[in-house]
Amino acid sequence: GQNIDQPTEMTATEGAIVQINCTYQTSGFNGLFWYQQHAGEAPTFLSYNVLDGLEEKGRFSSFLSRSKGYSYLLLKELQMKDSASYLCAVRNAGNNRKLIWGLGTSLGVNP
Amino acid sequence: KAGVTQTPRYLIKTRGQQVTLSCSPISGHRSVSWYQQTPGQGLQFLFEYFSETQRNKGNFPGRFSGRQFSNSRSEMNVSTLELGDSALYLCASSLRPSGSAYEQYFGPGTRLTVT
Repeated sequence: GQNIDQPTEMTATEGAIVQINCTYQTSGFNGLFWYQQHAGEAPTFLSYNVLDGLEEKGRFSSFLSRSKGYSYLLLKELQMKDSASYLCAVRNAGNNRKLIWGLGTSLGVNP
Repeated sequence: KAGVTQTPRYLIKTRGQQVTLSCSPISGHRSVSWYQQTPGQGLQFLFEYFSETQRNKGNFPGRFSGRQFSNSRSEMNVSTLELGDSALYLCASSLRPSGSAYEQYFGPGTRLTVT
């Protein structure tokens, strides 16, 4: 089957760095997305990785290792507003490509 | 550019009734995907439409159906509602189908409560 694993919850302190991991097992691989979802709001796009390596975008970075079926989202200089759920989604391969979603990691940022 | 809009935002129905939810994608986007989100199951894919054709379907019973119009607006229908259908229903639009590199833009969702 197809599966995406993320930790359920994480907490960190304002100003710190936190890494949210995502491992996946899918029928082929054709890209990985990270989304942020604040409570009661819709998910918003954060990053996209299709090749191995690190993609940096301001305080957020996302890393991908296709051989290990592994990605992480790195959040630097944490702010209170970063308290949200972070969703990892993988696009599989084949004729019926679609996004497979993880359950999300709920991140709490403490002052 | 206006974002994805969904109507209604909140809905309360009783078991056995049916419901129709509407989604208007971002202008120029031709792909619309529907998701059900619940605390325990996360985002569950319902179906995806591109240019009025259903491209993909998730593992939901036939009570869940959808369609897309020529202007890319989409509707989903749930018949014979069950208590377990209570959820947030999200619509996401994209330039191209989800099999491409384009990210999806989500609407605010419709919160459906079945009593």
